[in-house]
Amino acid sequence: NAGVMQNPRHLVRRRGQEARLRCSPMKGHSHVYWYRQLPEEGLKFMVYLQKENIIDESGMPKERFSAEFPKEGPSILRIQQVVRGDSAAYFCASSPRTRLTNTGELFFGEGSRLTVL
Amino acid sequence: KQEVTQIPAALSVPEGENLVLNCSFTDSAIYNLQWFRQDPGKGLTSLLLIQSSQREQTSGRLNASLDKSSGRSTLYIAASQPGDSATYLCAVWNSWGKLQFGAGTQVVVTP
Repeated sequence: NAGVMQNPRHLVRRRGQEARLRCSPMKGHSHVYWYRQLPEEGLKFMVYLQKENIIDESGMPKERFSAEFPKEGPSILRIQQVVRGDSAAYFCASSPRTRLTNTGELFFGEGSRLTVL
Repeated sequence: KQEVTQIPAALSVPEGENLVLNCSFTDSAIYNLQWFRQDPGKGLTSLLLIQSSQREQTSGRLNASLDKSSGRSTLYIAASQPGDSATYLCAVWNSWGKLQFGAGTQVVVTP
């Protein structure tokens, strides 16, 4: 059973370009979460998605950032018009459980490291 | 507002010693608490998940305790090995899937 797959692992963009980060959850998982780890900082929650639904986007910056998890295909985190402050490691996690139970270990991918020049 | 603190920020021990890593949180109304390991440039590996109704979890040389009333969790690693060198992260579940992480404890185990 493959783990959470993220790509690209490393992405370099110039200021003003767009960054698209992809995440395929573990098989059988329909819940995806995105976290950001800024240099020398801890991980911060960004968004929680289920298939075709955004459940909680309270950690997403109001502008330039968007996320989706379509019925088919991976979850996408999209950053438009990137700035240097967007340089960070972006981690995706998936969970096998639903809100009906309070268990549900999160499994993280290896991360996508974005560098904005 | 939930705050998660990990002490110490860094720890160096000789091989064979036991490791004790501390995590404290300010709001006891948590769902779960999860301990992770992160190697440099890598993702997070889940070590132990403690549900809010549990007091501890064990896996091999690892044991984690949870005291919700005092807002504390402790991760014990017995008989440390150089391969245990990594950053250990504590995360509390404030609500579903919304983990709040501590800053981590960077551990170095010297041969």
